[in-house]
Amino acid sequence: GENVEQHPSTLSVQEGDSAVIKCTYSDSASNYFPWYKQELGKRPQLIIDIRSNVGEKKDQRIAVTLNKTAKHFSLHITETQPEDSAVYFCAASSGSARQLTFGSGTQLTVLP
Amino acid sequence: NAGVTQTPKFQVLKTGQSMTLQCAQDMNHEYMSWYRQDPGMGLRLIHYSVGAGITDQGEVPNGYNVSRSTTEDFPLRLLSAAPSQTSVYFCASSYVGNTEAFFGQGTRLTVV
Repeated sequence: GENVEQHPSTLSVQEGDSAVIKCTYSDSASNYFPWYKQELGKRPQLIIDIRSNVGEKKDQRIAVTLNKTAKHFSLHITETQPEDSAVYFCAASSGSARQLTFGSGTQLTVLP
Repeated sequence: NAGVTQTPKFQVLKTGQSMTLQCAQDMNHEYMSWYRQDPGMGLRLIHYSVGAGITDQGEVPNGYNVSRSTTEDFPLRLLSAAPSQTSVYFCASSYVGNTEAFFGQGTRLTVV
């Protein structure tokens, strides 16, 4: 089955700096890569996703890049703010039902 | 619009007890799934369903049963609770294929 590895597990940045979280996947048939944000005690919520026919996607301060050849995808957050502090999960979809396999998560802390 | 509703929010069980975690969605989504979330391990897929009457195993199915008699409901049954099943459980729903998964608010289960 699919295996998704996510790095780093923790990340601290100063407010206004950029943050980058990286993921790798193993199944070359995976074709959908969402990113979820989970605040403390809350449910995961989708913040951005990318499909395999696209190399990059942006939404205001958030961008995701995908390198299908290397099986890498990354989340970039620019001009970080304290409210960006949360756990971020990457995921890849594979299998007959396109079920999601998640990475282990990155705890992002934005220091004021 | 309620989205995905899980009950209960908290539960304490004794080893060997059984119980059912409830999940209901009102978005007419075909795909529903159950995940467990443990520290440092992300979200791991327990069981999923692509429609009423159809279920399949995910990454960590042992000790859990599911059924899908209606589009709206997807209960998760713990047959004989064990301390290793102490976790936070999330139900999610989406349209089949590479689309956004909507999560319930989670159930924090402790087995003593």
